Amino acid sequence: EILMTQSPATLALSPGERATLSCRASRYVSTKLAWYQQKPGQAPRLFIYDASTRATGIPARFSGSGSGTEFTLTISSLQSEDFAFYYCQQYHDWPPNIPFGGGTKVEIK
Amino acid sequence: QVYLVESGGGVVQSGGSLRVTCAASGFSITAYSFHWVRQAPGKGLEWLAVLSYDGKSKFYAETVEGRFTISRHNSQNTIFLQMDSLSPDDTATYFCARGMPLLVISAIDFWGQGALVIVSS
Repeated sequence: EILMTQSPATLALSPGERATLSCRASRYVSTKLAWYQQKPGQAPRLFIYDASTRATGIPARFSGSGSGTEFTLTISSLQSEDFAFYYCQQYHDWPPNIPFGGGTKVEIK
Repeated sequence: QVYLVESGGGVVQSGGSLRVTCAASGFSITAYSFHWVRQAPGKGLEWLAVLSYDGKSKFYAETVEGRFTISRHNSQNTIFLQMDSLSPDDTATYFCARGMPLLVISAIDFWGQGALVIVSS
């Protein structure tokens, strides 16, 4: 089983600041990596897939990078609506066992 | 407009069974793989199962293998999760989620709002 580790667990920043979230896979996953945003009481929403492709309707201030085992989600300038939980997920493993990372909470400083 | 609406959640005693249903609308499910993902109160996301778009392949997380069964009814545009031998550790919100077209596994591009399942001891 590929394990996904996200860091930091919590990121406290001010609006307008840059956020950098990390996700590490325990084994090689190529670029088969997605990022999701979840707000309290809501379903997750796809933000990035294939490591760097923004999903439909996702603002350009969100960008994803990385390949292999190390991945990054960057929010260039935090807006109020960006404070939320973010989860990564790999979908490279076969047969499929596609766990999520433990999540990063981006909170207002 | 695409919708996934879960139903069938509720309270069940430990050792019991429950079936959660996911009704899709705004698209045909025949070209999509579907996943079930759960989230225990205050915890992160846990992937549970995937059913391929052609219905030929099913895969499960170790924590639910042998107890949970994912299935689909294409003509009803509906996906199911049958849950047996439930324990209090299965208490969570259960999300139905859609993969990308004609891929067995992929990123999950659309999620339902979830159904709360509470297993009492």
